[in-house]
Amino acid sequence: AQTVTQSQPEMSVQEAETVTLSCTYDTSENNYYLFWYKQPPSRQMILVIRQEAYKQQNATENRFSVNFQKAAKSFSLKISDSQLGDTAMYFCAFTTFWGKLQFGAGTQVVVTP
Amino acid sequence: NAGVTQTPKFRVLKTGQSMTLLCAQDMNHEYMYWYRQDPGMGLRLIHYSVGEGTTAKGEVPDGYNVSRLKKQNFLLGLESAAPSQTSVYFCASSYGKWETQYFGPGTRLLVL
Repeated sequence: AQTVTQSQPEMSVQEAETVTLSCTYDTSENNYYLFWYKQPPSRQMILVIRQEAYKQQNATENRFSVNFQKAAKSFSLKISDSQLGDTAMYFCAFTTFWGKLQFGAGTQVVVTP
Repeated sequence: NAGVTQTPKFRVLKTGQSMTLLCAQDMNHEYMYWYRQDPGMGLRLIHYSVGEGTTAKGEVPDGYNVSRLKKQNFLLGLESAAPSQTSVYFCASSYGKWETQYFGPGTRLLVL
């Protein structure tokens, strides 16, 4: 079975600080893509960052970066210089050969002033 | 460019009623998907389509049917709604199976 585990149901961080969200996954596939999506209170699912499993270099997107450890099947997200607008539910997901996105249960991030 | 749109945004049904949720995308994407989101869980795939005229079952297909008569539209039908189908439904589309999926705003469905 292919699963995604996000072990932190909720995390709180102050503005301008850094927070790291953990994600582990299990798949027997060798080729896959990993994603972090955010879901703010508006409920819209928004892509934060994407990582190809065959690339060793960690993806970055402005204040968002990942630490991808393929052997450990770990894919954590770091949010630097947190802003109030980062408050959202964050979902880790991966897609395998036939395109199915497997999601974790999510981590609620609350950014406080 | 509207991206992915969903109709309706919110609906209340009585047990046993039927309805159709409409998803439309204007990005010329081949792949389209229907997910449901329940409290405390991530999104789960209901059905998907890899092109016009094709559909396939996802993780939780029971109680739902889909059709993809036109490339830009993907319909999700509930023939006889049940309270267990109370959920938020998301449609998504992507250019290919490896590509990023873009999501619609969601439809909140309440079955009484």
